[in-house]
Amino acid sequence: DAGVTQSPTHLIKTRGQQVTLRCSPKSGHDTVSWYQQALGQGPQFIFQYYEEEERQRGNFPDRFSGHQFPNYSSELNVNALLLGDSALYLCASSGEAGSSLYEQYFGPGTRLTVT
Amino acid sequence: ILNVEQSPQSLHVQEGDSTNFTCSFPSSNFYALHWYRWETAKSPEALFVMTLNGDEKKKGRISATLNTKEGYSYLYIKGSQPEDSATYLCAPSSNDYKLSFGAGTTVTVRA
Repeated sequence: DAGVTQSPTHLIKTRGQQVTLRCSPKSGHDTVSWYQQALGQGPQFIFQYYEEEERQRGNFPDRFSGHQFPNYSSELNVNALLLGDSALYLCASSGEAGSSLYEQYFGPGTRLTVT
Repeated sequence: ILNVEQSPQSLHVQEGDSTNFTCSFPSSNFYALHWYRWETAKSPEALFVMTLNGDEKKKGRISATLNTKEGYSYLYIKGSQPEDSATYLCAPSSNDYKLSFGAGTTVTVRA
């Protein structure tokens, strides 16, 4: 049973560019959450997708957007990249409609470097 | 976004010794608390999800307690082993969907 997968593993972009990160949830999971982990901090919640809709959002600007597909996989898009967007981006999937009463399963992350 | 504090930021433990560390969070609007273990070069792994005041959970040599009235949780590692070396993250939730992670406690077990 495949766990949560993310692609690519590493990515280098230039300021002002746009980037798309991808996530495939664990089999049987219907909810995907995205987190940003900057150096020295814990993961910060970006948003959660359920039933192809953004259900909840953290304190991130509109440059951060996402999408969930009918097969429950998800994309995170970041426009107009800033140096401060350099971070590890984690995807987590969960079942039970994403209730926080249940554990989330994390992928290995995508390391984004903006130069 | 909840204000979550974990202390200490890091600690070193001799193999065989026991240790514990703290997660503090706002006690109002508590919904659930998650603990994760994150080993280097791996994905964060769920340890516990706790919901009730006074909850105690155990997985092998690792256990956790929860006090929702005063807003804290302790994680204990009994008889630390080198494989326990990792960053331990706590993440409370004030609603049904969003987790707010602390910065973690990094544990290094010396053989």
